Amino acid sequence: AQKVTQAQTEISVVEKEDVTLDCVYETRDTTYYLFWYKQPPSGELVFLIRRNSFDEQNEISGRYSWNFQKSTSSFNFTITASQVVDSAVYFCALSVLAGGTSYGKLTFGQGTILTVHP
Amino acid sequence: EPEVTQTPSHQVTQMGQEVILRCVPISNHLYFYWYRQILGQKVEFLVSFYNNEISEKSEIFDDQFSVERPDGSNFTLKIRSTKLEDSAMYFCASRRPGQGARQPQHFGDGTRLSIL
Repeated sequence: AQKVTQAQTEISVVEKEDVTLDCVYETRDTTYYLFWYKQPPSGELVFLIRRNSFDEQNEISGRYSWNFQKSTSSFNFTITASQVVDSAVYFCALSVLAGGTSYGKLTFGQGTILTVHP
Repeated sequence: EPEVTQTPSHQVTQMGQEVILRCVPISNHLYFYWYRQILGQKVEFLVSFYNNEISEKSEIFDDQFSVERPDGSNFTLKIRSTKLEDSAMYFCASRRPGQGARQPQHFGDGTRLSIL
């Protein structure tokens, strides 16, 4: 079974601060995929990034960056110079390729509520 | 950019009534999913659907639930006899074929289901 833990329930920062959202996952599968989704106050789920289990290269996209470390089973997400529009719930999610039979269901963490104050 | 479309955005139903939630996935996607999110909680997987049949379902997806792709474009979730605890946001998602579970799922805006 898969499990995703986002230990930070809520984070509150002031605009322009950097903030890191933690994600720790558990799986016995050797091939898996990690995702981050954003849920703004309007409620939709917006895909942000995907990572493969065999690709530990970190990624930066504008103010967003992701740090994937297999050794600690973590896939953390950093927002640099946060803005009010970054206020949302952020979900980390995991899917596995179980012998080619997986149909890709996502296992989500509990989510981290990020509030950025002006 | 193509989107997953869900209707209605909000459904209010009396307990015990049947409800059908509708979704139009992205047109070239072949894998379809339903998830639910009880208010303030995490998103939970309900069911996946591929090649016109259920491919995987969770323990939440009991006999009261069913899914259907009646006409090649719509993907529906039916709850036969709703309970108070079915109140939640229901999300439909779809993803492209190929490369196993690598492709990201694209979500609709959700249907908020309120059971009275």
